[in-house]
Amino acid sequence: ETGVTQTPRHLVMGMTNKKSLKCEQHLGHNAMYWYKQSAKKPLELMFVYSLEERVENNSVPSRFSPECPNSSHLFLHLHTLQPEDSALYLCASSQDLGGSYNEQFFGPGTRLTVL
Amino acid sequence: AQKVTQAQTEISVVEKEDVTLDCVYETRDTTYYLFWYKQPPSGELVFLIRRNSFDEQNEISGRYSWNFQKSTSSFNFTITASQVVDSAVYFCALSALRGNTPLVFGKGTRLSVIA
Repeated sequence: ETGVTQTPRHLVMGMTNKKSLKCEQHLGHNAMYWYKQSAKKPLELMFVYSLEERVENNSVPSRFSPECPNSSHLFLHLHTLQPEDSALYLCASSQDLGGSYNEQFFGPGTRLTVL
Repeated sequence: AQKVTQAQTEISVVEKEDVTLDCVYETRDTTYYLFWYKQPPSGELVFLIRRNSFDEQNEISGRYSWNFQKSTSSFNFTITASQVVDSAVYFCALSALRGNTPLVFGKGTRLSVIA
């Protein structure tokens, strides 16, 4: 496979469930990102990893927990979510951070519905 | 601080009309990069163009053209003879050269092309 892949593409979960979103990039990039996009709202950057180290965490509730075991994989662990967390979750990767290296390649997203 | 403003939240045009999407940016850096992304209804953001701050030449790619004006800090995007398939949300983004900071996205402009 090429590019950035995300699984699952759709997820419906109850507020008491625990689930994980998976992102994998096959581009040899060093930086990976999670974004949240709620209906008709701007992109919200949630987490940034560079060389498997978290470099940015934009005041995201603790019910979202990222994990980056290596530079190709990024997970978003979800637990006790709220209905307002329903959104499209997008993963992206870039060669590095800063300058032209910031050209991001996006996955298709996981559309999450919290009941 | 860096900022990207896309003042047009939603635009509707009739097929074959030309349409320009505005992007105004703010940065203190002298070297930076500007990007445009397209997000069709499927959700995945698709890279359209990257431009560095030293290259003010306008660019044309088929029906797409970009007008970079450093004097007004704008990087506008024009679609000529719009088609229904152009319907999407378009994001403008900015990346500074210095520092390990990710892309800064505008809020996006939703374009609807009506047949």
